[in-house]
Amino acid sequence: GQQLNQSPQSMFIQEGEDVSMNCTSSSIFNTWLWYKQDPGEGPVLLIALYKAGELTSNGRLTAQFGITRKDSFLNISASIPSDVGIYFCAGHNYQLIWGAGTKLIIKP
Amino acid sequence: GAGVSQTPSNKVTEKGKYVELRCDPISGHTALYWYRQSLGQGPEFLIYFQGTGAADDSGLPNDRFFAVRPEGSVSTLKIQRTERGDSAVYLCASSLTESAEAFFGQGTRLTVV
Repeated sequence: GQQLNQSPQSMFIQEGEDVSMNCTSSSIFNTWLWYKQDPGEGPVLLIALYKAGELTSNGRLTAQFGITRKDSFLNISASIPSDVGIYFCAGHNYQLIWGAGTKLIIKP
Repeated sequence: GAGVSQTPSNKVTEKGKYVELRCDPISGHTALYWYRQSLGQGPEFLIYFQGTGAADDSGLPNDRFFAVRPEGSVSTLKIQRTERGDSAVYLCASSLTESAEAFFGQGTRLTVV
């Protein structure tokens, strides 16, 4: 079936550093979504991208929908301790297809 | 309610038993989704309801899994003859329409022993 390749699997960074993660797919999606999941919680939507080439920001988060509609990246600037968690990309046509997640760990 | 509510939050059951997992979507949301998430993985699509009907059940792994949404609101995911491999977090999400953003519940952690 459809799959998204998300990288990196995990990141160990210092507080204050910028973070970048990305997803690629062999399939085209109408919408790309980025979610964050904390332990014991369901995923929470961070950013939704609807148009190829679209660049969208939400506070310290910036995400772009690739021109080919087969990829997306998420950047987090000036990371803070509450950014810790697992970040998922998801492609949406009529159902969500998910990446395996990027675990963000911040060293104090 | 304000968000998607799933009950129970945790369920431990013996192999071979039957379980039901409940999802209360956000009021007015016509689309409802069930996902299964194993440790260290992204959610895996199971089934999608538009109103009362299952618009896509292609993600259900086998005929032991079944889901209903009789009145177009609350949905129940039913698993018969549970197996240890069914252990996972079962997530429910709802959205206003098929193409709108989906909001997730906290999930039900199912453990089959």
